[in-house]
Amino acid sequence: GEDVEQSLFLSVREGDSSVINCTYTDSSSTYLYWYKQEPGAGLQLLTYIFSNMDMKQDQRLTVLLNKKDKHLSLRIADTQTGDSAIYFCAEMYSGAGSYQLTFGKGTKLSVIP
Amino acid sequence: DSGVTQTPKHLITATGQRVTLRCSPRSGDLSVYWYQQSLDQGLQFLIQYYNGEERAKGNILERFSAQQFPDLHSELNLSSLELGDSALYFCASSVQGTSGYNEQFFGPGTRLTVL
Repeated sequence: GEDVEQSLFLSVREGDSSVINCTYTDSSSTYLYWYKQEPGAGLQLLTYIFSNMDMKQDQRLTVLLNKKDKHLSLRIADTQTGDSAIYFCAEMYSGAGSYQLTFGKGTKLSVIP
Repeated sequence: DSGVTQTPKHLITATGQRVTLRCSPRSGDLSVYWYQQSLDQGLQFLIQYYNGEERAKGNILERFSAQQFPDLHSELNLSSLELGDSALYFCASSVQGTSGYNEQFFGPGTRLTVL
């Protein structure tokens, strides 16, 4: 079955860049997603990348995709204390009108002031 | 605010009991998804409904069932509850795109505690 792996913790200083890494197994995934979960809240979609892209930039966020190695990363530039949260990588399995997200366990980002 | 609402926010019950979690999707969204988030299993897909019909099934236990009603709201029924069912249950909704892109909007979740 599909499996998505992430490191569990990351600690960075305010103003530095954060890089959160993820590996996935389903090579047929067409879209890969990054979600953010703040304490006591639901999941918020941050960004996504289509599988035929290598990179996508959206303001402070940069997503890199290495399809050969099935490796996805999320870079947050100029990390702020408000970025402290859990970040989930997810791959989409789709077929016949069904859409199923498989999530990693999440990376808890702690930003040190 | 994603536009997806879930009730109740918190639920405390005893082992062996049955509970119903409710979800209202965003206006216009025909698909509803249920996910379970627990400490040991992480976030797991349970089931998807599209316009009242079941579309996909994930790691959903036989003690659990769901349905989507004509007004598109959905309910997740959990029965014969066990301590291990304690978790955060999320509902998400999406519109069916034609390009293959699917963005799921998540509700705030229902926290279930089984004592």
